[in-house]
Amino acid sequence: TQLLEQSPQFLSIQEGENLTVYCNSSSVFSSLQWYRQEPGEGPVLLVTVVTGGEVKKLKRLTFQFGDARKDSSLHITAAQPGDTGLYLCAGDNYDYKLSFGAGTTVTVRA
Amino acid sequence: GAVVSQHPSRVICKSGTSVKIECRSLDFQATTMFWYRQFPKQSLMLMATSNEGSKATYEQGVEKDKFLINHASLTLSTLTVTSAHPEDSSFYICSAGTGSYNEQFFGPGTRLTVL
Repeated sequence: TQLLEQSPQFLSIQEGENLTVYCNSSSVFSSLQWYRQEPGEGPVLLVTVVTGGEVKKLKRLTFQFGDARKDSSLHITAAQPGDTGLYLCAGDNYDYKLSFGAGTTVTVRA
Repeated sequence: GAVVSQHPSRVICKSGTSVKIECRSLDFQATTMFWYRQFPKQSLMLMATSNEGSKATYEQGVEKDKFLINHASLTLSTLTVTSAHPEDSSFYICSAGTGSYNEQFFGPGTRLTVL
């Protein structure tokens, strides 16, 4: 059983469409991170959210941390083929270790 | 900043041999490094936490005599897969912890294939 439930598991969309990935838990996290991983490579940190209700934007990516710091979402506007990859959320529940979600495989078709 | 390297990127070995994977933090000092294993299309599975100057902490179900970890300096941790078997074939990724919020920065990974 994973501490962080990520949904959907797979997402395939056409270039230009929007998408949202969700990360939910019953636990409270001191911070939550989103990573993107491409095949054969290590995950790359996209953002860290810390404050409940926080919204961070990174170009076409918008990250939100829930008010209770138990959930988060990643929204991509006008997706491009370069956004294709495995998106992972990871929470720090007051431990030195991160708890990872199962990941969402995003495919953006040209 | 926060660059982590891993070497080798790929290794193919015969069953029964040992393989060493190096993980280096290039532009910062990392008192804590993490070793993960990843199966195709799955998330990361934490194997162990490596602390500089002390013994590694292994996750439940991970054999410490099978996966030897040495964190010799603040910039280098090594994972040795001893007497490797085909079931040890996997993608191994290290990370280094830094920053105020326990962010982890990952190496590019090592693809191990045991024949």
